[in-house]
Amino acid sequence: GAGVSQSPRYKVTKRGQDVALRCDPISGHVSLYWYRQALGQGPEFLTYFNYEAQQDKSGLPNDRFSAERPEGSISTLTIQRTEQRDSAMYRCASSASGTGRNQPQHFGDGTRLSIL
Amino acid sequence: DQQVKQNSPSLSVQEGRISILNCDYTNSMFDYFLWYKKYPAEGPTFLISISSIKDKNEDGRFTVFLNKSAKHLSLHIVPSQPGDSAVYFCAARRFGSEKLVFGKGTKLTVNP
Repeated sequence: GAGVSQSPRYKVTKRGQDVALRCDPISGHVSLYWYRQALGQGPEFLTYFNYEAQQDKSGLPNDRFSAERPEGSISTLTIQRTEQRDSAMYRCASSASGTGRNQPQHFGDGTRLSIL
Repeated sequence: DQQVKQNSPSLSVQEGRISILNCDYTNSMFDYFLWYKKYPAEGPTFLISISSIKDKNEDGRFTVFLNKSAKHLSLHIVPSQPGDSAVYFCAARRFGSEKLVFGKGTKLTVNP
């Protein structure tokens, strides 16, 4: 597609359930990023991939959060045993090249996650 | 600890006038800066960027200025249009990292 596509747009689930958020980057983009955005704040970095390799996961809050990009294209962010504090907008971004190149990151419209 | 600060939560200007959005940063290792525009219910859209080796970058109505000694950057929109009304985020990237650090955003309203 033309832009970064995220699904679902909205996800409501009960506390304790696992959720999987999907990101389809811009075709041909090497790097893929996950961010989380709280209301009234800017996006906060979670993790990023170059191709299928996870290069930096320093922003993942705890071990309930994981991400993968097995074929270097689509990525899934998984949150296990969800808690109410996980409620936020989760944003995915992609860029044309990886480390050290000044390429902007292009964002999708996000997945709004609500934990009841 | 906010490394990227946008101290004005909102700004209102008249159509046709200049809009100036400001951003301050604390980390001297930041070497690449970006501005994003965000409409409601959409993701941030890349607007313009600047490398730390430059002090100005221009793209149509949008110009970004970087003052490294003051750790300050600004986005100028001239002339402002009602369609420019959105939340503007400043972001910075540290040398050797791919992580973007964002400010909290400034809501710009351009009045017809």
